[in-house]
Amino acid sequence: GAVVSQHPSWVICKSGTSVKIECRSLDFQATTMFWYRQFPKQSLMLMATSNEGSKATYEQGVEKDKFLINHASLTLSTLTVTSAHPEDSSFYICSARRGDGDYGYTFGSGTRLTVV
Amino acid sequence: AQSVSQHNHHVILSEAASLELGCNYSYGGTVNLFWYVQYPGQHLQLLLKYFSGDPLVKGIKGFEAEFIKSKFSFNLRKPSVQWSDTAEYFCAVNASSSASKIIFGSGTRLSIRP
Repeated sequence: GAVVSQHPSWVICKSGTSVKIECRSLDFQATTMFWYRQFPKQSLMLMATSNEGSKATYEQGVEKDKFLINHASLTLSTLTVTSAHPEDSSFYICSARRGDGDYGYTFGSGTRLTVV
Repeated sequence: AQSVSQHNHHVILSEAASLELGCNYSYGGTVNLFWYVQYPGQHLQLLLKYFSGDPLVKGIKGFEAEFIKSKFSFNLRKPSVQWSDTAEYFCAVNASSSASKIIFGSGTRLSIRP
C-alpha cells in the first residue's frame, strides 16, 4: 500500500534556528502534498498545499516566509520552519495524494517540534 | 469554502455499546468524504471514504458511514465497540476536483470503558 515517510519524528531546537522536515512518498508518486499542523487535542489545520515543481499555496494566516515549502520531486516535499519561536512548537503532519484517480491521501507519522 | 462540523467532542461508551459519531459538512458542490482515526501516539489512518455510489460505506474494523446528501451528513457507526476503538476520530471533506485539499473536523475523542 501507499506509504509516506516523515522525518524526523521529533526535533528540539533553539529559538531563532531553522528546522527542516521531510515528507517522502515511498512507493508512489505524489503530485500533491499537504502540510498540516496539529495542536494538542485539536484537529489538523491545513497550512499549505504543494504541487511538484510549483510554488506552494498557503492557507490564510500562514506566513509563507516563515514556513518554507519545497516540493522538488514527485516523492519529496520539505517544510522548513525558519527562525523558530516557542509558539511554533507543534505537531506537523504531511499528507501525499497519489496521482491516480481515486484521490487517495496518505498521511505521514508526523513530526513533533519543540522550540526552546 | 468547505467546512466540517463534529458536534461530539468526547464520547464515552462501554464495551459492546453501539456507536454513532456525527459529522456535517458545508459545501455547495460535490464532495468526497472521509473518516480518519488516530490511535494514541499513532498517525492518522483512513477508516473509510465515500466518493460516489452506494451512500452506505463500509470501512475497516467494522465501521460504516452513511452519506445523507439532503442532510449534508456523513455519520460514522459501529454496532458494537471494543476497548481497542479508543482513539480520536476525524471527519474530513474535500471538493470533488483533482488535487483538492482535505478539510478536517475538530475531531471526536472516543473513550471505551472495559
